[in-house]
Amino acid sequence: DAGITQSPRHKVTETGTPVTLRCHQTENHRYMYWYRQDPGHGLRLIHYSYGVKDTDKGEVSDGYSVSRSKTEDFLLTLESATSSQTSVYFCAISEGSGYTFGSGTRLTVV
Amino acid sequence: GQNIDQPTEMTATEGAIVQINCTYQTSGFNGLFWYQQHAGEAPTFLSYNVLDGLEEKGRFSSFLSRSKGYSYLLLKELQMKDSASYLCAVRLRSNQAGTALIFGKGTTLSVSS
Repeated sequence: DAGITQSPRHKVTETGTPVTLRCHQTENHRYMYWYRQDPGHGLRLIHYSYGVKDTDKGEVSDGYSVSRSKTEDFLLTLESATSSQTSVYFCAISEGSGYTFGSGTRLTVV
Repeated sequence: GQNIDQPTEMTATEGAIVQINCTYQTSGFNGLFWYQQHAGEAPTFLSYNVLDGLEEKGRFSSFLSRSKGYSYLLLKELQMKDSASYLCAVRLRSNQAGTALIFGKGTTLSVSS
């Protein structure tokens, strides 16, 4: 078990408010990823990290920022949430040739 | 750009065999993954191919042809619990993409009795 936890599991927020999602891992993995999953689009990469303070953009990074100040935590921030960011967000880690996903955060922006 | 195609939906009967195809056109290739995802849950790892050929794991097998940009997932002796989405994903070789997986849109499989 890769020991990934995401918080919160569910969140409803208003348009224009900032939101931060947290991904926590317990096994010192170097690579961490944030994806969003939407009907008709599948899983799309938002940002990823290859070490503390080392992050880069994925294919759908507009409107999102990330931070990784500790190996175990990878934070995803929506600076000003929009309805188009209503989605299910998954964090993942890679270990060897395998990738393990967290349980997801269902975010609704109203 | 990256393109990974798989059928949107498939249906099958309990006890049957089903093959889910995936074709890819990507700027790099460093392995192909299959994941299973039940509704409301996280994706879970099924198989990984990096070399051409067939990988078998119980009722599930996965095949890869790198020259054709093609893979399939074969599910045998289907059970009702196999009703789920099946996700094809490619790991790119490019350093610019790190080691991230790029996913197809997924195939929803419905198994009926």
